[in-house]
Amino acid sequence: DSGVTQTPKHLITATGQRVTLRCSPRSGDLSVYWYQQSLDQGLQFLIQYYNGEERAKGNILERFSAQQFPDLHSELNLSSLELGDSALYFCASSVEGEGAFSRNTIYFGEGSWLTVV
Amino acid sequence: AQKITQTQPGMFVQEKEAVTLDCTYDTSDPSYGLFWYKQPSSGEMIFLIYQGSYDQQNATEGRYSLNFQKARKSANLVISASQLGDSAMYFCAMRGLVGSNYKLTFGKGTLLTVNP
Repeated sequence: DSGVTQTPKHLITATGQRVTLRCSPRSGDLSVYWYQQSLDQGLQFLIQYYNGEERAKGNILERFSAQQFPDLHSELNLSSLELGDSALYFCASSVEGEGAFSRNTIYFGEGSWLTVV
Repeated sequence: AQKITQTQPGMFVQEKEAVTLDCTYDTSDPSYGLFWYKQPSSGEMIFLIYQGSYDQQNATEGRYSLNFQKARKSANLVISASQLGDSAMYFCAMRGLVGSNYKLTFGKGTLLTVNP
């Protein structure tokens, strides 16, 4: 158990709908990452939050948005869903220390399987 | 920009034998970390081992060891005494440790099959 909790584990929804994926990071971790894994694109970085603030943005579509709340949990909102959004969505967290000797291991949750039909 | 290359789409190994999964990387970051993750068919992403670019010794975690050759920019994963439960997809990844480039960049993965 990595300590990162994601809900729901599985989700089936129709095209055009909106879903919210939830993530609770490991205790003490300030940084949360969202990744999308699909068969054709592999693992794609979407976005990173650090202590409530957006820190880095990757290949995140405008239809997608995320936020990190004061209690450090994060939500990924996916709207106007398309068939191609079907994927495994991972949340990950890390302590995020600074410096060359920081280990900064990133631990992943079990993922949320999204199927758009 | 960071890049991870895993040239072996699939590997086969006999149970109890050792196997090496290849990983080469490219980065302009002065300080970076290298990671290996295991993804079984159930989908979760399991952290296996970490190597910092300034670490003098190769990392080991139980049956996993990382053969780090900085000059060659390689970070191969060695699994000793393979078990049937090692059958999974294995991803090599890296991230910068100084500055703002903290996200993990992944390779495409290697599918390892352990035969009885």
